Amino acid sequence: RKEVEQDPGPFNVPEGATVAFNCTYSNSASQSFFWYRQDCRKEPKLLMSVYSSGNEDGRFTAQLNRASQYISLLIRDSKLSDSATYLCVVSPMDSSYKLIFGSGTRLLVRP
Amino acid sequence: DAGVIQSPRHEVTEMGQEVTLRCKPISGHDYLFWYRQTMMRGLELLIYFNNNVPIDDSGMPEDRFSAKMPNASFSTLKIQPSEPRDSAVYFCASSRLRTGGLAQYFGPGTRLLVL
Repeated sequence: RKEVEQDPGPFNVPEGATVAFNCTYSNSASQSFFWYRQDCRKEPKLLMSVYSSGNEDGRFTAQLNRASQYISLLIRDSKLSDSATYLCVVSPMDSSYKLIFGSGTRLLVRP
Repeated sequence: DAGVIQSPRHEVTEMGQEVTLRCKPISGHDYLFWYRQTMMRGLELLIYFNNNVPIDDSGMPEDRFSAKMPNASFSTLKIQPSEPRDSAVYFCASSRLRTGGLAQYFGPGTRLLVL
């Protein structure tokens, strides 16, 4: 079983739609959680951290469910520029500072 | 502020040649990470450093790969000899520990093609 699992998609949605991605992780000791965004042929870029109480950044809302070991990302009012691959990332934060990346969910926002 | 800087951005070489990839982390960051990304395997951590010291190199695929960090502002990843299966995008990332975890900031990557 992969440490971080995501639906690869693609999710194909019209502009203005609301779309949600989920991600599950296997290590219950994971302490830090992030969503990264990667555009085609570009580097991954930090989108937002995910906090236990959930957090929002503009049109983006991230939620963490420790009991079920899943993380979600909700994008409201999708824009064409949101088209990218969204990577779910967890850190075990035991004695190391590694980040474990999911393989990503691809989002296509159409006009 | 300048982000993570990597060079070269593209490298095409022939099998058996030595390849050296370079990275300059963000100033003040004390963690540096080398990743490899392919379609088949996704993003894989190769090695990371803390305060210039290698902490975990368990992701380095084999002895042909080596990495160094002689000072806080420079790191290299070397492949010798290179093989076609090493073709990938190699990313360097840096970070510093802060409240909320260890978010990493990536450089633009080096696209390596080994013929």
